[in-house]
Amino acid sequence: DAKTTQPPSMDCAEGRAANLPCNHSTISGNEYVYWYRQIHSQGPQYIIHGLKNNETNEMASLIITEDRKSSTLILPHATLRDTAVYYCIVRAQFNYGGSQGNLIFGKGTKLSVKP
Amino acid sequence: GAGVSQSPRYKVAKRGQDVALRCDPISGHVSLFWYQQALGQGPEFLTYFQNEAQLDKSGLPSDRFFAERPEGSVSTLKIQRTQQEDSAVYLCASSQRLTDNEQFFGPGTRLTVL
Repeated sequence: DAKTTQPPSMDCAEGRAANLPCNHSTISGNEYVYWYRQIHSQGPQYIIHGLKNNETNEMASLIITEDRKSSTLILPHATLRDTAVYYCIVRAQFNYGGSQGNLIFGKGTKLSVKP
Repeated sequence: GAGVSQSPRYKVAKRGQDVALRCDPISGHVSLFWYQQALGQGPEFLTYFQNEAQLDKSGLPSDRFFAERPEGSVSTLKIQRTQQEDSAVYLCASSQRLTDNEQFFGPGTRLTVL
């Protein structure tokens, strides 16, 4: 799977939008971009995923550049409970003859939301 | 509904002891994954199952690590002759199908080897 690059840490003021960038310049055409987050002492939690179109759900929005080499996760109104490590992961859909279903995590971005 | 549960939540072992870590996936989930997370690092893949079949164990760090899921539901990760470098959080995740986009993670078991 392609590797991703994320800043190690970011701060955000409570109530403001948090924009978390991710570079995935070697992404393949069949690979999706996934975002998970991990709150302290908990397991990772799925946030959102996309292939090439922008996606939005109740948690966040995902903006993928046209060349698909980078993406941004947007938390529109960050709260203190959004303080966590955010992981950007690139993964192909499972193929019994090819790629695996496991997730390959990097070190992620530690987002600190401050009052 | 109930999520993925793991037990024990914390385990302290003396070097050389054997340990067994349990994972109860979400009912009906076919796929089950084990990950190891060292302090300050992201989770790293260990192994996964589809039902009772272990499809990939390439991430297991040594032959001291063994995982099983005999009836396709509960899984156990066993570590024999524990070493200090085995100290980590062991995470279990499940998904309804292997092709699902979302994996549901348990809270993990923190293993400390003295």
